[in-house]
Parts: sequence; structure tokens; C-alpha cells
Amino acid sequence: KNEVEQSPQNLTAQEGEFITINCSYSVGISALHWLQQHPGGGIVSLFMLSSGKKKHGRLIATINIQEKHSSLHITASHPRDSAVYICAVRFNSGGSNYKLTFGKGTLLTVNP
Amino acid sequence: KAGVTQTPRYLIKTRGQQVTLSCSPISGHRSVSWYQQTPGQGLQFLFEYFSETQRNKGNFPGRFSGRQFSNSRSEMNVSTLELGDSALYLCASSLLNGGNYEQYFGPGTRLTVT
Repeated sequence: KNEVEQSPQNLTAQEGEFITINCSYSVGISALHWLQQHPGGGIVSLFMLSSGKKKHGRLIATINIQEKHSSLHITASHPRDSAVYICAVRFNSGGSNYKLTFGKGTLLTVNP
Repeated sequence: KAGVTQTPRYLIKTRGQQVTLSCSPISGHRSVSWYQQTPGQGLQFLFEYFSETQRNKGNFPGRFSGRQFSNSRSEMNVSTLELGDSALYLCASSLLNGGNYEQYFGPGTRLTVT
């Protein structure tokens, strides 16, 4: 079964702390996405990666294909980083049948 | 460049009715995907369209359908609405289909079924 597990489910941090959110998946993938959703529903794509590491500002995303695991790191966290972070995976189901499967999300609250 | 737009933003319908939601992708993007988000199930993939053809489909009943037009705009339709169809419906566009292209999400349509 194609599954995506995120941890932790909830995370509270103080401003300035280093944050790590984890995502594990069950079988081979073609791509992994990290998404950010603020209250009100809007979703922003933060990263799409299939190998290695990507960095954008204070955000860093890594993926280990062999271990089927990805992490999203936030350095020097800020209250505006408070949001739900969602891991989404494109499992390679063969042929052109790529389906995006989502984790349950991590609710991050950064207190000033 | 304008982002992904969805209309309407909010909708209230009654059980048994049908509804049509619209999504206009970013100019030049040819792939449109639809997702349902509920508090209980989270985000779930509905279907993906590319070049007016449905390329992938999630595990939803036949009451959920969609189409894509030659200008890449897409519509999804839900017939015989049920209370459980109340959700945020999101569409996302990408340059091409096939899995390895970044997705750009619209603001969503919040559907309430009473």
C-alpha cells in the first residue's frame, strides 16, 4: 500500500528555534513535494525534489531515496512560519499513472 | 503572471443537487489536477487532466467527474451531492504532467452541502 507518514503531527517552537519535520513513505517514488498551508486554505509549494537537497531562504529540504525519508528544516523560525506543512509524494505506479498521495500534515506554531 | 484562479470561492448546496467548479491554470500550464481536502481525510487526489484528457484518477465515486478545455481551463462536477462532499476543493496547475513538475495551487472552492 502506498503510504505517507509525517511526524510530528503538532509542533510548537519559540521564535529563533531550528525546526525539523519528517516524512516517510512506503515504496518507490518519482518526486516528493513539501507544501505549506496557512489558515484560510491557500497552499504554496515550497519544494519539489527527487534526490539530494534544496534550499530556499531559511528553508531546507532533504531526501534520502534509499531510506525513503525526507526532512524539511526551518532555520531561525519566525511566527510567520506558523502553518500546516504537508508532505506529498508521487508514487511511481508504472506507465503514466502518477498519483499524488499526501501526508496528514504537521501543524507548526512558532511563538514570539 | 497571474496565478491559478478558482470560481466560485464559496458555495452552499443542498443534498441531491449537482455542482460545477471551475479552475483556470497559470498561462502556459497544460496540466490541471484536482484535490479534495476534508478535516477527516486530509488532502486526496481526485483527477489530473492534460491536453483535454484525463490522465490519472483517484479513488472517488463516479459522481465526481471533470473535463479540460482546449485553453487548459478545467471544470469538475459533482452530481447527487452528499453531506460528506462538504470540503475544500483545490486545483493545481503545472507545466506538464507526469509527476516531476512543480504544482501551483489555487485558493480553493469551499463547498458546503446541507
